[in-house]
Amino acid sequence: GAVVSQHPSRVICKSGTSVKIECRSLDFQATTMFWYRQFPKKSLMLMATSNEGSKATYEQGVEKDKFLINHASLTLSTLTVTSAHPEDSSFYICSAGGTDRFSYEQYFGPGTRLTVT
Amino acid sequence: KNQVEQSPQSLIILEGKNCTLQCNYTVSPFSNLRWYKQDTGRGPVSLTIMTFSENTKSNGRYTATLDADTKQSSLHITASQLSDSASYICVVSAKAGNQFYFGTGTSLTVIP
Repeated sequence: GAVVSQHPSRVICKSGTSVKIECRSLDFQATTMFWYRQFPKKSLMLMATSNEGSKATYEQGVEKDKFLINHASLTLSTLTVTSAHPEDSSFYICSAGGTDRFSYEQYFGPGTRLTVT
Repeated sequence: KNQVEQSPQSLIILEGKNCTLQCNYTVSPFSNLRWYKQDTGRGPVSLTIMTFSENTKSNGRYTATLDADTKQSSLHITASQLSDSASYICVVSAKAGNQFYFGTGTSLTVIP
């Protein structure tokens, strides 16, 4: 399968600051990238879907002004948590979508642990 | 409504024993079904993918089954190891496009 990386793997920031998380597809071009949030012992919750060169589509209840997503190239998408608060502390996972043989697949990154103090 | 349900929610088994995890879905039109293993603090890793015409697929000690008529899938783990302790997530994708429906996962703990 394809390789997707995320940076940083862990980040601690102070309340009120902004944090940027990068998601890269290393060996294929991803026209679509997905951003998920995961709370402890819970399943992944889709936050938004981003297509290269266009605005992201956010799921209901996700504030687009707080979670800024940029998908400027076929291999890089970024999620910026603006004016972070302790309740934004979570595990953020991205995935990159592409066609693998006959079906559309998504490949997950290793995740980023965000802690807001 | 497109949904994916997994059972049990959590499971504890002794090392060396077998176990079976269940996934029921109502996603339509169906494209494929994937089982992922997610270690704590890591991203999900794909174990198997099942398309409509496939009934059984194995990946080492993992064997997935699919009954497209009853819309049920199972993941059987043989001779469990401590490293199998993880969350197992069933994800069903729809033919409508790049839409994925996640189950809530089964948390498996293998104890010595």
